Amino acid sequence: DQQVKQNSPSLSVQEGRISILNCDYTNSMFDYFLWYKKYPAEGPTFLISISSIKDKNEDGRFTVFLNKSAKHLSLHIVPSQPGDSAVYFCAAIPPSNTGNQFYFGTGTSLTVIP
Amino acid sequence: SQTIHQWPATLVQPVGSPLSLECTVEGTSNPNLYWYRQAAGRGLQLLFYSVGIGQISSEVPQNLSASRPQDRQFILSSKKLLLSDSGFYLCAWSVDPTGANYGYTFGSGTRLTVV
Repeated sequence: DQQVKQNSPSLSVQEGRISILNCDYTNSMFDYFLWYKKYPAEGPTFLISISSIKDKNEDGRFTVFLNKSAKHLSLHIVPSQPGDSAVYFCAAIPPSNTGNQFYFGTGTSLTVIP
Repeated sequence: SQTIHQWPATLVQPVGSPLSLECTVEGTSNPNLYWYRQAAGRGLQLLFYSVGIGQISSEVPQNLSASRPQDRQFILSSKKLLLSDSGFYLCAWSVDPTGANYGYTFGSGTRLTVV
């Protein structure tokens, strides 16, 4: 049962424009969310996170928005750059997590067109 | 600084053959260690995690096993590979016990193809 879903397997965006990657989750008890970026043949790297007590977290060109009532989060990349082309995974952490379980989405492949 | 090493990078193995993937972490002690698999068209699936030497928890039933013979060494094994074991295997560790602050740090992954 997929508790974290990324319904768009791929996304293409023109360089300089905004990229919006979406993620939905089913468990309202999740209290921490993360985004990872993954290049081919490499491990995912941590990008940005957000706690459930916030609705927005910004780090440079990357902003994550959380809508708890809709159980939805999104990652905005502005402006998009060709180097941002990668697979992006969202992940959710359940409450009282002991580090043994992150729930990952299936990933969205972003292509930024020069 | 902390680093994580995972090898081999790619592996092609026949069905029924054994498997051993190794992961080591440097620059930290008593890390939480994880094995994930990314299968084609699917997300990252947690296979095993370990909070200490000899302590292994399995998240999904499978013909794989994991061992942690040393504090910073995590091994993924199989006695007989199946075709369905093909995928991209990732080792990871977390800085803090909950993983909430920094998430995981992943290794570079192993592309396993079972033929």
